[in-house]
Amino acid sequence: NAGVTQTPKFRVLKTGQSMTLLCAQDMNHEYMYWYRQDPGMGLRLIHYSVGEGTTAKGEVPDGYNVSRLKKQNFLLGLESAAPSQTSVYFCASLDRDRGQGEQFFGPGTRLTVL
Amino acid sequence: QQQVKQSPQSLIVQKGGISIINCAYENTAFDYFPWYQQFPGKGPALLIAIRPDVSEKKEGRFTISFNKSAKQFSLHIMDSQPGDSATYFCAASVWGGGFKTIFGAGTRLFVKA
Repeated sequence: NAGVTQTPKFRVLKTGQSMTLLCAQDMNHEYMYWYRQDPGMGLRLIHYSVGEGTTAKGEVPDGYNVSRLKKQNFLLGLESAAPSQTSVYFCASLDRDRGQGEQFFGPGTRLTVL
Repeated sequence: QQQVKQSPQSLIVQKGGISIINCAYENTAFDYFPWYQQFPGKGPALLIAIRPDVSEKKEGRFTISFNKSAKQFSLHIMDSQPGDSATYFCAASVWGGGFKTIFGAGTRLFVKA
């Protein structure tokens, strides 16, 4: 049982390049989330999904797109990276049916945009 | 308002002492208040959580105190240990609409041996 995994762990992009971050969970959780973590700002919600085929915007969605084609995967895309998107990105999942509110986080992806 | 304000930003405590971190929220719709612990290079992990119908919850050395009327809650770490050195985030969640969570800015705790 791997929990929540994220790929890649590190990435350096140039301004204007695109990339996709992959999150996978093997706990059969319905809800999945993408956050970004910046110094002094905690974690901010980018996008989330309440089930396969659904996505919704969070606090800071601009410049990002997401897809949830399979229940276990949640992809975060940057179409044209900007230096302001330099951050650590965390994916999380939650078991809606247990009703306990615990989010399980992945190990993070450290992204630098030059 | 969706903010969750957390203080202090950093905290240094002697081994065996009590660590106290405070948070305040504004939106009365929040119905779940977790604390997450994060070690360097790792993702956050749930430490302890409380619902607003309870004023206190204790799990081992960790206690949440919750004041619904003041819209404040705090984490107390008793007998603090060097292994507790980490960043702590308070948060507030609402179950409706996908269980969205607002996190505080974090408190970096260092426990001196």
